[in-house]
Amino acid sequence: DSGVTQTPKHLITATGQRVTLRCSPRSGDLSVYWYQQSLDQGLQFLIQYYNGEERAKGNILERFSAQQFPDLHSELNLSSLELGDSALYFCASSVAWGAHEQFFGPGTRLTVL
Amino acid sequence: GDSVTQMEGPVTLSEEAFLTINCTYTATGYPSLFWYVQYPGEGLQLLLKATKADDKGSNKGFEATYRKETTSFHLEKGSVQVSDSAVYFCALSDGGSSASKIIFGSGTRLSIRP
Repeated sequence: DSGVTQTPKHLITATGQRVTLRCSPRSGDLSVYWYQQSLDQGLQFLIQYYNGEERAKGNILERFSAQQFPDLHSELNLSSLELGDSALYFCASSVAWGAHEQFFGPGTRLTVL
Repeated sequence: GDSVTQMEGPVTLSEEAFLTINCTYTATGYPSLFWYVQYPGEGLQLLLKATKADDKGSNKGFEATYRKETTSFHLEKGSVQVSDSAVYFCALSDGGSSASKIIFGSGTRLSIRP
């Protein structure tokens, strides 16, 4: 158990819908990262927050957004969902940014029908 | 930009065989290097890491040495077990910037036959 929690574990929805994925980092960790893992794209970094502020952006679509709240939990919002958004979405946390180990949550499996 | 290239899988070995999974990287700075492992149905776990040239990371019988001259970080284990069956990801992190992220390789699926 990494100490990172993600909810829900599974999510099934329809095209055009909007969903919110939630992540609680390990106690004491200030950085939260979001990744998407799909069969064709592999594991891709989406976005990083540190202590409530956006720090780095990767291959995140404009239809996706994220935020980190004062209690340090984070939410990833996916809107106007397409079939190709079906993937595993992982959250990770670390104590700071930089060359620090990231601890991964168990992931949320999103299926768009 | 920075990138990681690792050998394609799947790799299938018999129990107690020697394992090598090749990984090379491209980076402009001085990255930290990692191997993560993903067991079936689970998230990624850090297996080992090295933060500077010639460092050797080791854990659970796995080893990898940070080779700056060959820009490599190959994963090795002397005697694999069935329980090592998983997907292994080589990764780098540019710890020098405030906007750092981990860049992962494509993953190598390892299957160990009893």
